[in-house]
Amino acid sequence: NAGVMQNPRHLVRRRGQEARLRCSPMKGHSHVYWYRQLPEEGLKFMVYLQKENIIDESGMPKERFSAEFPKEGPSILRIQQVVRGDSAAYFCASSPAWDRDTGELFFGEGSRLTVL
Amino acid sequence: AQSVTQLGSHVSVSEGALVLLRCNYSSSVPPYLFWYVQYPNQGLQLLLKYTSAATLVKGINGFEAEFKKSETSFHLTKPSAHMSDAAEYFCAVSETGTASKLTFGTGTRLQVTL
Repeated sequence: NAGVMQNPRHLVRRRGQEARLRCSPMKGHSHVYWYRQLPEEGLKFMVYLQKENIIDESGMPKERFSAEFPKEGPSILRIQQVVRGDSAAYFCASSPAWDRDTGELFFGEGSRLTVL
Repeated sequence: AQSVTQLGSHVSVSEGALVLLRCNYSSSVPPYLFWYVQYPNQGLQLLLKYTSAATLVKGINGFEAEFKKSETSFHLTKPSAHMSDAAEYFCAVSETGTASKLTFGTGTRLQVTL
């Protein structure tokens, strides 16, 4: 049973370029979460999605960041016009609908974005 | 609103010694509490969780944590540290009855020395 799959594991972008990070949740999971981990810091919640719906985006920066979880395919976190401050590890997590209220999340190995 | 405070960003213990990682939480409703471990360049792995059942929770790799409502604490312990326990440990809180949005502490890096 495959876990949460994220790709790419490492991504290098120059300032002003776009970054796209993908996340395939565990089989049977319909809830996806994105977290950002800045160097030497804990994880910060960004966005919570279900298929075709954004449930909570209270942690998303208001500009340049967007997320989607289409009916078919992986969830995508998109960062436009990247800046050096976007360099971080971006973690995706998923949960099954039936376990939504216990809060347990299953994490991928993360995508590490470096902005030059 | 919920929050988590982890006292001590770095903890160093000798192999075989007791491990104690501290976590205090703040929550306006009964919380769910979690400890996750992160090894270098990897994702987070769940160690254990408290979801309003027994207050002493046993997890993987010999770790356990005790929920103390009066102290708003959920400290992580292990009787005897092993070199393989060296990692970053995160405490997290989720409020019951709401969508699963975990709030994490800033983490404690555990170093195990010979």
